[in-house]
Amino acid sequence: DIQMTQSPSTLSASVGDRVTITCRASQSISSWLAWYQQKPGKAPKLLIYKASSLESGVPSRFSGSGSGTEFTLTISSLQPDDFATYYCQQYNNYPWTFGRGTTVEIK
Amino acid sequence: QVQLQESGPGLVKPSETLSLTCTVSGGSISSYYWNWIRQPPGKGLEWIGCMFDRGITYYNPSLQSRVTISGDTSKNQFSLKLSSVTAADTAVYYCARGQSITAFDYWGQGTLVTVSS
Repeated sequence: DIQMTQSPSTLSASVGDRVTITCRASQSISSWLAWYQQKPGKAPKLLIYKASSLESGVPSRFSGSGSGTEFTLTISSLQPDDFATYYCQQYNNYPWTFGRGTTVEIK
Repeated sequence: QVQLQESGPGLVKPSETLSLTCTVSGGSISSYYWNWIRQPPGKGLEWIGCMFDRGITYYNPSLQSRVTISGDTSKNQFSLKLSSVTAADTAVYYCARGQSITAFDYWGQGTLVTVSS
């Protein structure tokens, strides 16, 4: 299985901060990486697919980059609605696998 | 607008079979691929498996011996069966639509299944 390692596991930030989350794959996954946002008690929501494509309806302050084994999710200016847990997921090889998540907390 | 809704028992006894159904509206299960994903309380996400049209399935090897995913196109539903459950199978179970380019773009709200006697 491809292991997905996210860092940090927890991040404390303030409204307006620029936030970056990293995801590393244990082997190359080309650009087949997605990012999801999950709030407590809710299903995950797709933010980014194919490493850098913004899902329809997702604010442009979210962006993704990377290829191969190194990927990042950036929130350019953190908003109150963005405090949540973020997961990366590879869909290059079965079984599809997720990172363990990064929780963005209010500083 | 595509919507998915999970249904099934919220409590299953150890060693029994967990059965859930996902009803899809706003789109046909004859297109795309359809997934089950679970999340133990307070933990991360685990992909269980998926079903393509014509009944082709892929399962997570960690669960493969116990999992069956099937579809009913007449009802636009797909189902999960997980046999010989233990407390470790207690989780919120989600169904989700998959596309080859966009991964999991639509999700159900999730249903909590507790394994306990």
